[in-house]
Amino acid sequence: AQSVTQPDIHITVSEGASLELRCNYSYGATPYLFWYVQSPGQGLQLLLKYFSGDTLVQGIKGFEAEFKRSQSSFNLRKPSVHWSDAAEYFCAVGARAAGNKLTFGGGTRVLVKP
Amino acid sequence: SAVISQKPSRDICQRGTSLTIQCQVDSQVTMMFWYRQQPGQSLTLIATANQGSEATYESGFVIDKFPISRPNLTFSTLTVSNMSPEDSSIYLCSVGGQRDSEQYFGPGTRLTVT
Repeated sequence: AQSVTQPDIHITVSEGASLELRCNYSYGATPYLFWYVQSPGQGLQLLLKYFSGDTLVQGIKGFEAEFKRSQSSFNLRKPSVHWSDAAEYFCAVGARAAGNKLTFGGGTRVLVKP
Repeated sequence: SAVISQKPSRDICQRGTSLTIQCQVDSQVTMMFWYRQQPGQSLTLIATANQGSEATYESGFVIDKFPISRPNLTFSTLTVSNMSPEDSSIYLCSVGGQRDSEQYFGPGTRLTVT
């Protein structure tokens, strides 16, 4: 079975500072990996995705993520945070062998200080 | 990506009643999914709804409580039956994208049961 862990429940970052959100997954083979963002009262928006190939993935809104097979990680980064980045971020794992269903991590809430 | 709408966006219901949530997509999709997000929690998959077949429910979810219809490739409904306050959650539908496991989410339906 696949599983996802997001070790940080809350992160507070100053506007303009860099941001890194951690994601660790468990799966027997190489999974498909995703990051979603949920702003207050909104649905989930897909930030970026990894299927194969280049392990550094660029997404929308200036986000990037790096897949590290040796560490079973897929951490999300942004070099300079904007106040509008305050939201809940979810890492998810899927696999064709699992019927393409997604398993989500517990989420990390990001607060941005002015 | 597909444009997904859900109705209603929110509702307050009395215990013992049922609510049907609609999910409409602007293009034909094979795979649709229904998730529950309890307050302050991550997303949990309720069921996968593929057109032309019965919905497949995840462990802990049963058809009598969460009946699902999928009459065509652009529409699905989820009914929350005989509601109790524990059913108070955000219910989200998602659709499969062009790549395996890729999913796009609707805006969600916020349900409060009193």
